[in-house]
Amino acid sequence: KNEVEQSPQNLTAQEGEFITINCSYSVGISALHWLQQHPGGGIVSLFMLSSGKKKHGRLIATINIQEKHSSLHITASHPRDSAVYICAVRSGGGADGLTFGKGTHLIIQP
Amino acid sequence: DSGVTQTPKHLITATGQRVTLRCSPRSGDLSVYWYQQSLDQGLQFLIQYYNGEERAKGNILERFSAQQFPDLHSELNLSSLELGDSALYFCASSPRGSHGYTFGSGTRLTVV
Repeated sequence: KNEVEQSPQNLTAQEGEFITINCSYSVGISALHWLQQHPGGGIVSLFMLSSGKKKHGRLIATINIQEKHSSLHITASHPRDSAVYICAVRSGGGADGLTFGKGTHLIIQP
Repeated sequence: DSGVTQTPKHLITATGQRVTLRCSPRSGDLSVYWYQQSLDQGLQFLIQYYNGEERAKGNILERFSAQQFPDLHSELNLSSLELGDSALYFCASSPRGSHGYTFGSGTRLTVV
């Protein structure tokens, strides 16, 4: 079983819809990251969370440490939001790299 | 431009060969991480260096090695290449005391 599970694996929605991507993890963590990867490969860090909620523009990320669960929300989705969204965790040990989920392939249709 | 520079962007080489991938971290960042992204394994952590010293190892093969130089740039050396080593290799850097990451744009390695 992967230590980081994301759902859904694939999501197609219409422009303007509210999008939710979920991430569950099974290990103790020091931080959780949400990453975005567009076709062509580059990875952009969207959020780093250790507790609570963060907002940046139309993106909102939340984390519940007790339930080992995080969500990424996109409000008023737009075709340019089409990308792979990856949840990744950094263990509580501190000196390790990230452990990644398999990603959610999001397509926003006009 | 994220501030993390990886070269080359693309590399095509034959099985059995050796290649070196280069990463220059964001200015001031002391930690460098190497990650591999393949179709079957997804993203995997390979190795971390902090201020010139190896800090943590992930799923790095014995055929692979890395180092971080005094100017903080890092190199990932891949030897005895196999078809299965074809992947995107990302470097990321992080400042001291931070959990934040900045990723480079990656090197796409194709082994033929």
